[in-house]
Amino acid sequence: GAVVSQHPSRVICKSGTSVKIECRSLDFQATTMFWYRQFPKQSLMLMATSNEGSKATYEQGVEKDKFLINHASLTLSTLTVTSAHPEDSSFYICSARGGGTLAGAPLEQYFGPGTRLTVT
Amino acid sequence: AQTVTQSQPEMSVQEAETVTLSCTYDTSESDYYLFWYKQPPSRQMILVIRQEAYKQQNATENRFSVNFQKAAKSFSLKISDSQLGDAAMYFCAFIRWGGSEKLVFGKGTKLTVNP
Repeated sequence: GAVVSQHPSRVICKSGTSVKIECRSLDFQATTMFWYRQFPKQSLMLMATSNEGSKATYEQGVEKDKFLINHASLTLSTLTVTSAHPEDSSFYICSARGGGTLAGAPLEQYFGPGTRLTVT
Repeated sequence: AQTVTQSQPEMSVQEAETVTLSCTYDTSESDYYLFWYKQPPSRQMILVIRQEAYKQQNATENRFSVNFQKAAKSFSLKISDSQLGDAAMYFCAFIRWGGSEKLVFGKGTKLTVNP
């Protein structure tokens, strides 16, 4: 099956600094990637949809200037948490849209293993 | 807007027994997909099973099967012969056909498997 990687798997940063998380599709081209945030014992919350070569579409309530998303190639999307604060500590998951065969059918999403961000 | 409801925050089952996880959803769409995802302690999301709304036949994947009731907007997951490795969070999810490709997740059910 399709593989999506995330790097780093864990990161600790100091308040006020920025941290970048990478999401890569290893064996397929992903025209669309999705970024989720997950709080402990809660469901996944979609933050933004990232399309290769265009600006990301953010969900309501997600700060565009704080969570910068770049999708520069068909295999890489990055999420940068700028001026991080302790409340940004969370588990961040990306997914990449895979190939489908039926016109109009939603293409399957493959999830990365997630990145645990701790802001001290 | 679509919503997905999982009314069981936690469930437990004895090893080798059968358990059913409930999911209901609300949509005005007629064409869509439904999924069950598993999230073990590693936090990696794993697709368990998918169901196309236009198919009347319930999807099955080895020990996992669904009971899809389109009119009732119900999509339950049955796990047969439960194994210790089945212990995880299970999320029900919905996605529209041909439009927005956003997955809409339920809040999840934590499944414990007792030896």
